[in-house]
Amino acid sequence: AQSVTQLGSHVSVSEGALVLLRCNYSSSVPPYLFWYVQYPNQGLQLLLKYTSAATLVKGINGFEAEFKKSETSFHLTKPSAHMSDAAEYFCAVRGYSSASKIIFGSGTRLSIRP
Amino acid sequence: EPEVTQTPSHQVTQMGQEVILRCVPISNHLYFYWYRQILGQKVEFLVSFYNNEISEKSEIFDDQFSVERPDGSNFTLKIRSTKLEDSAMYFCASSPPRLVDETQYFGPGTRLLVL
Repeated sequence: AQSVTQLGSHVSVSEGALVLLRCNYSSSVPPYLFWYVQYPNQGLQLLLKYTSAATLVKGINGFEAEFKKSETSFHLTKPSAHMSDAAEYFCAVRGYSSASKIIFGSGTRLSIRP
Repeated sequence: EPEVTQTPSHQVTQMGQEVILRCVPISNHLYFYWYRQILGQKVEFLVSFYNNEISEKSEIFDDQFSVERPDGSNFTLKIRSTKLEDSAMYFCASSPPRLVDETQYFGPGTRLLVL
């Protein structure tokens, strides 16, 4: 069975500091991995996705994530945090079937200190 | 850019009432999904739908829930007799065949409050 674990339900960083949100996955085969962002009272927006083409994936708003099979990790990073990055971030995994559901992690709330 | 739309954005209902949540998926997509997010919790899968039938459903998706694609554009989730614990944000998503794009595209959600 597939699953994702997000370490840290709440992360707080200063504006301009490095953002690191951790995600570990469990899957019997290399999965598709995603990071979604949810701003307050809004829906889910795709930040980036891993589909086995490249281990370092760049997304929108300056975010990137690296797939590390040996560590079963897919951590999200951004070199310099901006106030507008404050949101809830969800790591997610899905299988290969076209109808496969997405399994979400429990989410990490990112706060940015001025 | 095409997007998934959902109506209504908010709905308040009395316990025991029926509600229908509506979604218009992206036009060339073939796979449709409903997820829900109870306040403060993670997003949970409810059901997937393809070729006019349910592909997979979770244990949450009991006999009180049903889905339908009544025409070529809408995809609906019906809750027959709402319970207090059905209060949540409900997200619709759609995707093309995996070989085209692995992404599921989410709508903005319908916030359902059961009183």
